[in-house]
Amino acid sequence: QQPVQSPQAVILREGEDAVINCSSSKALYSVHWYRQKHGEAPVFLMILLKGGEQKGHDKISASFNEKKQQSSLYLTASQLSYSGTYFCGTEDLNAGNMLTFGGGTRLMVKT
Amino acid sequence: KAGVTQTPRYLIKTRGQQVTLSCSPISGHRSVSWYQQTPGQGLQFLFEYFSETQRNKGNFPGRFSGRQFSNSRSEMNVSTLELGDSALYLCASSLEQRNSPLHFGNGTRLTVT
Repeated sequence: QQPVQSPQAVILREGEDAVINCSSSKALYSVHWYRQKHGEAPVFLMILLKGGEQKGHDKISASFNEKKQQSSLYLTASQLSYSGTYFCGTEDLNAGNMLTFGGGTRLMVKT
Repeated sequence: KAGVTQTPRYLIKTRGQQVTLSCSPISGHRSVSWYQQTPGQGLQFLFEYFSETQRNKGNFPGRFSGRQFSNSRSEMNVSTLELGDSALYLCASSLEQRNSPLHFGNGTRLTVT
């Protein structure tokens, strides 16, 4: 069963912040985040392992709550280049080397 | 370092035909995964290969098959094509250990008419 992402779509103005959530019904080993621009391949952003760590990548950061099997991606001071579709990919605790992706969140940043 | 290479980029096939897609991973990557991407279903996992062995398989019919060669290159085959098989097929390579990031190719766009 694939993880559930919310919201499905969001429109921002440059400089605004956004949060994208990813929720799974299974015990997770890790959560990956990827961004895909139109007509391009998904690009890796970051991985979070069980342990509740938070990671950062420029002005994009993420957290992972392993007890709730939830992860959130935080985009601060958004830039036009942040536009694209964001996917979370989850790796089950008991099923390694296989990522199940959420349905994606379409993010559009406008001037 | 060269990225993941998928060939061909575009394919148009007729219902009932079969098709073979190819993927060359990043040098040193021994794990190759295949995904089907459609507007309605998102990214659906097909299978994952490591050292010529299929380690994981998604929920797709037996018409979808794959293999991996000793140089880690991988192919996937779809037989008896159906209209619903029209999609972008993405290949991704990674290092062998868990929690390694996936590096995606640009995909093969398959259209079945």
